[in-house]
Amino acid sequence: GDSVTQMEGPVTLSEEAFLTINCTYTATGYPSLFWYVQYPGEGLQLLLKATKADDKGSNKGFEATYRKETTSFHLEKGSVQVSDSAVYFCALSDEQTGANNLFFGTGTRLTVIP
Amino acid sequence: DSGVTQTPKHLITATGQRVTLRCSPRSGDLSVYWYQQSLDQGLQFLIQYYNGEERAKGNILERFSAQQFPDLHSELNLSSLELGDSALYFCASSVDAAGDYEQYFGPGTRLTVT
Repeated sequence: GDSVTQMEGPVTLSEEAFLTINCTYTATGYPSLFWYVQYPGEGLQLLLKATKADDKGSNKGFEATYRKETTSFHLEKGSVQVSDSAVYFCALSDEQTGANNLFFGTGTRLTVIP
Repeated sequence: DSGVTQTPKHLITATGQRVTLRCSPRSGDLSVYWYQQSLDQGLQFLIQYYNGEERAKGNILERFSAQQFPDLHSELNLSSLELGDSALYFCASSVDAAGDYEQYFGPGTRLTVT
C-alpha cells in the first residue's frame, strides 16, 4: 500500500541555518507529493507540491524535488527563520486508488532559535 | 483562514458517549475529507465524500460514520467512545474528488474522552 516515511524529529536549528527534512514514499501508481505545515494551534496548510517526476515545488524559500529514482521528496530551505518553527508533514495522493485522499508521514517538528 | 469551518473547537465527553463533529467546506468545494490526528497513530485519513456520496474510505472504525448533506456540509459521528478516540479531528475540502487539487484544512476539533 501507499505510505510515507519521514525523518524523525524534533529538529532544532539556529536562525539562518540550512534545513533538510527527509521524506521517502511508497506508492502503487504515480503519486502527487506534498509538504504541509502546521503552526501551533492551527490546521494544516499546503506549503508546496509536485505532481510528476523531476518537478520542483517551491514556496516561501522552501523547495522539494520529486525524485522518482530514489522515491524521495526532501524538503530544504537555505536559511530558516524563527517564524518557520512548526510541524512539517510530507504527504502523497495516489490516483491509482481512484481518490485523492492524502497519506501523511509522521511529521517533523522544527524549532528555530534566535 | 482556509475557508473551512469546524465546530465545535473543543469537545470533552465520557467513554461510551456519542458525539457529532461538523464541517462546512470552502465555498464551491464539493469534496470533504475527514482526518484524525493522534499521538500514537499520527495523521490518518478516515473518509471522503464528494457531492453527497461516499468516495473513499480509510482507517475508519465501524463505530464512526459520516455523511455529507445537500448543502455540502459534513458531519462525523463518533459513538461508543473510548479513551483512544481522543484526538484532533480535521476536516478538509477540495474542488474535486480526484486529481491534485489542493485540500484546504479546517482548524480541527479537539476531542477529549475521559
